[in-house]
Amino acid sequence: EDKVVQSPLSLVVHEGDTVTLNCSYEVTNFRSLLWYKQEKKAPTFLFMLTSSGIEKKSGRLSSILDKKELFSILNITATQTGDSAVYLCAVPPYGGATNKLIFGTGTLLAVQP
Amino acid sequence: DAGVIQSPRHEVTEMGQEVTLRCKPISGHDYLFWYRQTMMRGLELLIYFNNNVPIDDSGMPEDRFSAKMPNASFSTLKIQPSEPRDSAVYFCASSFGPGGYTFGSGTRLTVV
Repeated sequence: EDKVVQSPLSLVVHEGDTVTLNCSYEVTNFRSLLWYKQEKKAPTFLFMLTSSGIEKKSGRLSSILDKKELFSILNITATQTGDSAVYLCAVPPYGGATNKLIFGTGTLLAVQP
Repeated sequence: DAGVIQSPRHEVTEMGQEVTLRCKPISGHDYLFWYRQTMMRGLELLIYFNNNVPIDDSGMPEDRFSAKMPNASFSTLKIQPSEPRDSAVYFCASSFGPGGYTFGSGTRLTVV
């Protein structure tokens, strides 16, 4: 069965800290892995990763994929209170359309001032 | 671009009543997805459409749930009869080609 597991389930840090969120997956016929940020409402797209070892970067956020070990990490440097959210990892399962996604349960990040 | 538009934003209904959730995808997107999110189970895919045709409804929990997409700009998710365990946030999302979805703001359903 295809699955996505995220860790930790929750994390509390102080502003300025650096955090690393983990996502491991078991998917037949891997195509891509996506990261989303969910604040109070809908998830918003962050990154899509398809190749191992190539870092995607957007401001203080970056992500990298390891297809051999079947995981991805999302790094946030110099965290701010606005980074507080649930971070979701998702992959399309085998046999599904590229756009059909299985989501992990997410990591709840709380950044304290 | 107004994004994916869902209505209503909140719905409170009594057990046994019919509930209809609505979604307008982004114009030009050819995939539409309905997800349900709960604390216990996270985001679960219920059903998705490609070019208005239902492709995979294996996530629909039971016969009380049904979804339609009569045209490219509108979809509904209906629950009849509703039960308290259906209480969740229901998200609609749309996309074009591979890549990230755009989610709507969700409908928070409470069945009492």
